[in-house]
Amino acid sequence: SQQGEEDPQALSIQEGENATMNCSYKTSINNLQWYRQNSGRGLVHLILIRSNEREKHSGRLRVTLDTSKKSSSLLITASRAADTASYFCATDANRGSTLGRLYFGRGTQLTVWP
Amino acid sequence: EAQVTQNPRYLITVTGKKLTVTCSQNMNHEYMSWYRQDPGLGLRQIYYSMNVEVTDKGDVPEGYKVSRKEKRNFPLILESPSPNQTSLYFCASSPIGTATYNEQFFGPGTRLTVL
Repeated sequence: SQQGEEDPQALSIQEGENATMNCSYKTSINNLQWYRQNSGRGLVHLILIRSNEREKHSGRLRVTLDTSKKSSSLLITASRAADTASYFCATDANRGSTLGRLYFGRGTQLTVWP
Repeated sequence: EAQVTQNPRYLITVTGKKLTVTCSQNMNHEYMSWYRQDPGLGLRQIYYSMNVEVTDKGDVPEGYKVSRKEKRNFPLILESPSPNQTSLYFCASSPIGTATYNEQFFGPGTRLTVL
């Protein structure tokens, strides 16, 4: 079953605008990760946020985590056409017997128009 | 160059013909995992390995086998492929023996079609 679910499924914006994607999950977690996938390619890790962190930045990326609402958001500021890709959140499950399990959502397809 | 390699990248086969997709990493990572990606379903974990000789089932292990005889390799075996195993497969590795505390490095993917 899906642990993480991204919202929206698709997002279309102009270059220079900000893009916000959300991820909701079901059970308590240790960490949450965001990945990017260009069409048909392997996933690339963007950022990892731990359950005791509320916000993290990396370049034009800002990730927030609200464990009380079981949700995270990924903000890409000043988007570029090259940011066009699918974005996935991935969560673990905070249970010792499942340390090897990682659950991905269905992803948000971001299109940035020049 | 640090990387995860998969072979073959593309494969078309017929129902019932055993096949192996190889995965190799040169980063001395303990953790390795296989995922399949299907439209509308995202990535689903098939099997993972937290270290040599240690493998565990993910979400969708039925119809697949894996082995981890050495640290760098984690082959995915389909003993009797069926059309519902047509998918895009990804291998990934991570530095330590869990999926949760480190980023995963993904291979380029293997597109498998079972006729």
